Amino acid sequence: GQQLNQSPQSMFIQEGEDVSMNCTSSSIFNTWLWYKQDPGEGPVLLIALYKAGELTSNGRLTAQFGITRKDSFLNISASIPSDVGIYFCAGQLYNNDMRFGAGTRLTVKP
Amino acid sequence: DAGVTQSPTHLIKTRGQQVTLRCSPISGHKSVSWYQQVLGQGPQFIFQYYEKEERGRGNFPDRFSARQFPNYSSELNVNALLLGDSALYLCASSLPSGGARNEQFFGPGTRLTVL
Repeated sequence: GQQLNQSPQSMFIQEGEDVSMNCTSSSIFNTWLWYKQDPGEGPVLLIALYKAGELTSNGRLTAQFGITRKDSFLNISASIPSDVGIYFCAGQLYNNDMRFGAGTRLTVKP
Repeated sequence: DAGVTQSPTHLIKTRGQQVTLRCSPISGHKSVSWYQQVLGQGPQFIFQYYEKEERGRGNFPDRFSARQFPNYSSELNVNALLLGDSALYLCASSLPSGGARNEQFFGPGTRLTVL
């Protein structure tokens, strides 16, 4: 089945720093999505990407759909304490089958 | 507007028992998917239902089953519970299956503990 490799596994950064995380796969996906999950809650959708090469921003977040359709990255600029959480990438096929990476745990030190 | 709702919030069962988890999708969403999230990992796809029919199934044993009702709500059933079934069970809803721009929105999950 499709496997997503997400890196880094964890990040410890200072407030105000920029963050970058990425996801790669051996398979092609039609949609790439990025979710954030806080402890004890369900994942919350941050950004969805639909076309190869697409670059989309949502406030301080920017994500890109890789040109090969096998990878995506997420950047967070000027991090703040509330950015703490686990970030998941997900690749989705047309049948709604969605595969998740293992997550990047972000810690922001004030 | 109400998001995806799930019940119960927490559940404790013993090995061999059966459990039923419930999910109500966002109003207007007709597709429901179920995921299992073990601690420290990303969600794993279990089922997708659309218009009361199973449209996708992940690599889970037959002990796992689900159904969708005419109002698009859904139930996930797990029989003969094992310790390894302890996890957060997530429900996600989306617009009709197929096509682009059908993002899935998650509920808060049901935390199942099997003793």
